[in-house]
Amino acid sequence: AQSVTQPDIHITVSEGASLELRCNYSYGATPYLFWYVQSPGQGLQLLLKYFSGDTLVQGIKGFEAEFKRSQSSFNLRKPSVHWSDAAEYFCAVGGSRQAGTALIFGKGTTLSVSS
Amino acid sequence: DGGITQSPKYLFRKEGQNVTLSCEQNLNHDAMYWYRQDPGQGLRLIYYSQIVNDFQKGDIAEGYSVSREKKESFPLTVTSAQKNPTAFYLCASSRLAGPSTDTQYFGPGTRLTVL
Repeated sequence: AQSVTQPDIHITVSEGASLELRCNYSYGATPYLFWYVQSPGQGLQLLLKYFSGDTLVQGIKGFEAEFKRSQSSFNLRKPSVHWSDAAEYFCAVGGSRQAGTALIFGKGTTLSVSS
Repeated sequence: DGGITQSPKYLFRKEGQNVTLSCEQNLNHDAMYWYRQDPGQGLRLIYYSQIVNDFQKGDIAEGYSVSREKKESFPLTVTSAQKNPTAFYLCASSRLAGPSTDTQYFGPGTRLTVL
């Protein structure tokens, strides 16, 4: 079955510290992988995506993610967290089989930033 | 500016009423999607459409209906058969071919509350 697991429901990081949000997926074909961010009461904003090629992808707001096929993971990282990064983060997987089929989302990780 | 608009931002429904949530996009995307978001549940797919006058049920379609009469518009009706409709509803769209195929872009959401 296709699924996405975000093992951490809630993470608190000090401002200026590094961040890693975990994402594991189960998908029977070559995956497309995405990270989205959501501020309270808002829609989802795309941070970055992986379709193919270089397994380390750069996104907006200083985020990056690394695709590791052997571990079925696509973890999100940021070297120095800012207070404005506090939000909910969603990992999602789609597929190359057929365009236009919906993404499968994880349940999200809420990031709090302490001063 | 290109984007996805959803209206209204807040919607209140009485028991037994049908309500319709609007979603419009001017990105010239072929595919459109409706998701429901509940706290701690991530995003769950209600319906999606890849082409005008055609749509497919998602994981939680019961109690919902959609139409796709125009490429730009994909309204969602929450019927009285939906027993627990209070949630945050997100609309998204994506291309079916070319650059960034399958990258979904989201609207700002509609929060529906049953009184």
